[in-house]
Amino acid sequence: QQQVKQSPQSLIVQKGGISIINCAYENTAFDYFPWYQQFPGKGPALLIAIRPDVSEKKEGRFTISFNKSAKQFSLHIMDSQPGDSATYFCAASMKGTGNQFYFGTGTSLTVIP
Amino acid sequence: SAVISQKPSRDICQRGTSLTIQCQVDSQVTMMFWYRQQPGQSLTLIATANQGSEATYESGFVIDKFPISRPNLTFSTLTVSNMSPEDSSIYLCSVGGRVAGNQETQYFGPGTRLLVL
Repeated sequence: QQQVKQSPQSLIVQKGGISIINCAYENTAFDYFPWYQQFPGKGPALLIAIRPDVSEKKEGRFTISFNKSAKQFSLHIMDSQPGDSATYFCAASMKGTGNQFYFGTGTSLTVIP
Repeated sequence: SAVISQKPSRDICQRGTSLTIQCQVDSQVTMMFWYRQQPGQSLTLIATANQGSEATYESGFVIDKFPISRPNLTFSTLTVSNMSPEDSSIYLCSVGGRVAGNQETQYFGPGTRLLVL
């Protein structure tokens, strides 16, 4: 059973546009929601993360929007650049599970010039 | 964040052989994790390796196939034993860390790309 569902599987955006990737979860015990960025041939890198006590977190061009009642969270990449082309994974974790992360299935983002 | 290195970065192996992957961290960490990422797929947790205790394996992974060592707080190894082509994958080491607000998170190494012929 997929604990975290991610969509879309792939996304193509024009340079300067907004990229939006969505994730949904069922377990209300999750209390930490990170996003990872993975370039080909590299390991995933922690990009930005949010806790459920806030509805939005922004770091530069990257914003997480969190909807606790809908059990959904999304990553918005503003002014998308070709250098943002990568695979993005959302994840969720909860206290008391030994820091175990549950990952989404990933979104391959391509930003075309 | 922790700096994590893995050796080898890639390898091509013959079926039936074994490969040991090393993970080195630049700081002492309690929790280390081993993941498998098949091409174009998400990350699947193989096991959690805490120093001073036996590794805890996830469903579908067994110690005989993926023995893990954790001799100290900066190092771990994962062995892929008696390999078959189905073991071709990227193997990732990650470590637990803390970010703002004392929140636990995970940092990943660069991965080991394994091809089994």
